[in-house]
Amino acid sequence: QLQLQESGPGLVKPSETLSLTCTVSGGSISSSSYYWGWIRQPPGKGLEWIGSIYYSGSTYYNPSLKSRVTISVDTSKNQFSLKLSSVTAADTAVYYCATWTTVTTPGAFDIWGQGTMVTVSS
Amino acid sequence: QSALTQPPSASGSPGQSVTISCTGTSSDVGGYNYVSWYQQHPGKAPKLMIYEVSKRPSGVPDRFSGSKSGNTASLTVSGLQAEDEADYYCSSYAGSNNFGVFGTGTKVTVL
Repeated sequence: QLQLQESGPGLVKPSETLSLTCTVSGGSISSSSYYWGWIRQPPGKGLEWIGSIYYSGSTYYNPSLKSRVTISVDTSKNQFSLKLSSVTAADTAVYYCATWTTVTTPGAFDIWGQGTMVTVSS
Repeated sequence: QSALTQPPSASGSPGQSVTISCTGTSSDVGGYNYVSWYQQHPGKAPKLMIYEVSKRPSGVPDRFSGSKSGNTASLTVSGLQAEDEADYYCSSYAGSNNFGVFGTGTKVTVL
């Protein structure tokens, strides 16, 4: 059974780069069934899709964040990563990694990590 | 891309039904049958409850049902139970530039 686990610093300074990693267990990140993505949720607010990546390296980003976002995949470690540059307090949120599938539950984010809180503060 | 519009709150007594609406545009909800619904309890990750407008993943009770008409999708929870009290978010695929436009969220209270 596929499981996702986020990891990374819980505190990032303004103007710096937020870096998070999602480790995939119970399956291969090279699976053609999934797009691997990031979703965030500011405290007390709703969900926002950040972007997704296919195992081939093709990336898809939210237009509102595209200029600051890089998502990459490391097939040797079965991990994918998020980098968000020039962060401000508005980027403070719980960050989730999640799969978007074309097979089991098409068009939906079916498997989620537990989430990791990232605070932007000096 | 703007968030999909949901009512902030909905409520019902145990055993009753509650319906949550999710209004988008022809570029998202109205343009694709990739509408999904998520349940989120406090401090927990969202859980997929409905996909492709009306389909339930394995393990989701049939008390949860979804539908769509034009640019508006709906989630109905029948036979409300205490554990259904949570936040609910809709989401729609909106093209390769947006795998998931999310709704504003609805807090469901079981009275």
